[in-house]
Amino acid sequence: EPEVTQTPSHQVTQMGQEVILRCVPISNHLYFYWYRQILGQKVEFLVSFYNNEISEKSEIFDDQFSVERPDGSNFTLKIRSTKLEDSAMYFCASERERDNEQFFGPGTRLTVL
Amino acid sequence: AQSVTQLDSHVSVSEGTPVLLRCNYSSSYSPSLFWYVQHPNKGLQLLLKYTSAATLVKGINGFEAEFKKSETSFHLTKPSAHMSDAAEYFCVVSRGGNYGQNFVFGPGTRLSVLP
Repeated sequence: EPEVTQTPSHQVTQMGQEVILRCVPISNHLYFYWYRQILGQKVEFLVSFYNNEISEKSEIFDDQFSVERPDGSNFTLKIRSTKLEDSAMYFCASERERDNEQFFGPGTRLTVL
Repeated sequence: AQSVTQLDSHVSVSEGTPVLLRCNYSSSYSPSLFWYVQHPNKGLQLLLKYTSAATLVKGINGFEAEFKKSETSFHLTKPSAHMSDAAEYFCVVSRGGNYGQNFVFGPGTRLSVLP
């Protein structure tokens, strides 16, 4: 059964460093998402991506964040200069068509020291 | 704006007894509603979804949920709990939008199943 994969499973970085979180969505899906879950808090929407551009982003997704789909398979989330408060579990999701089911990856745990 | 309330942060049941996880939502239009489950160190797995068809929705692993518009509820039930059901459960409402869906998650309910 096809699934969304994410790498790495755990990333530790120093404050101020850049990180790139990688996701491989399901191959025939058209909509892509990033969410995050700070420890002990609810899962929050960050950004949605369709047709090679951002379709919607939340207030959390400021200028420090960016997404791209560089090669038609990977979907990446970049944080330019990490802050302590960026420590969280980051989930990628993909969806085949509108009003269908979002498939989530296992998440990347980001720890900023 | 959409929002989701899960009334219990933790529910504990004995194996073989019924499970009830409560969810209430608010939405400015007819929503799509979902229940996801997260086992430790695993991703989010879809249990079931409601998208304006039948109000009683059956999902995987014996779970079902009933959409009650008058009560703005979408409670998750299972007749008989199994040890493998122990996990975190999230109720989700779809915000909709022009491109894809943007989910609003509830805070989650941790289900413990006692032997």
